[in-house]
Amino acid sequence: DAGITQSPRHKVTETGTPVTLRCHQTENHRYMYWYRQDPGHGLRLIHYSYGVKDTDKGEVSDGYSVSRSKTEDFLLTLESATSSQTSVYFCSGGAGGDTDTQYFGPGTRLTVL
Amino acid sequence: AQSVTQLDSHVSVSEGTPVLLRCNYSSSYSPSLFWYVQHPNKGLQLLLKYTSAATLVKGINGFEAEFKKSETSFHLTKPSAHMSDAAEYFCVVSDGNYQLIWGAGTKLIIKP
Repeated sequence: DAGITQSPRHKVTETGTPVTLRCHQTENHRYMYWYRQDPGHGLRLIHYSYGVKDTDKGEVSDGYSVSRSKTEDFLLTLESATSSQTSVYFCSGGAGGDTDTQYFGPGTRLTVL
Repeated sequence: AQSVTQLDSHVSVSEGTPVLLRCNYSSSYSPSLFWYVQHPNKGLQLLLKYTSAATLVKGINGFEAEFKKSETSFHLTKPSAHMSDAAEYFCVVSDGNYQLIWGAGTKLIIKP
């Protein structure tokens, strides 16, 4: 969905360094989500936001933090990257609710050496 | 707790033949169910969703899925595969708290 962009699209970093991934949306989605995708696991929810400055943990939140200072932007931070955080990260947005369709960004491939 | 199992990690079919991707779910209430598709090196796109209306749900690109409560299944089908259908498909269930539980995915391979 062109309404959600992620930056950077690719990043290689060293173990122990901080990393911030950015998700930007132009669709006024109330809810935004960060997932990681690993082979054999599908997508797993890291954190989500249900409004500006309102966030909550997902299934695999350890080692990650998020911030949402305005509707359009949802940041994912790895305070001290580890090799186990090598993954593809997807951001999505939607209206919220059990029947809600989520719209996804193109993903960020992160490699931690 | 809600969970979803995709019964095949890979499915290979010839172009022009039917496609069946299998999904079973577990839910303590009447769930919402989704199929998303991911084409190689691309993001994810909704194919179709079930939200307790009609049990047979039609989606994009000729796909459909049938919700069968007695079998706790939500299998995805298409009558005739096309080369452009080659992708990874994810069955997803809502957890009742505005979060989605994803299956591990099924890679669909189309043989010419």
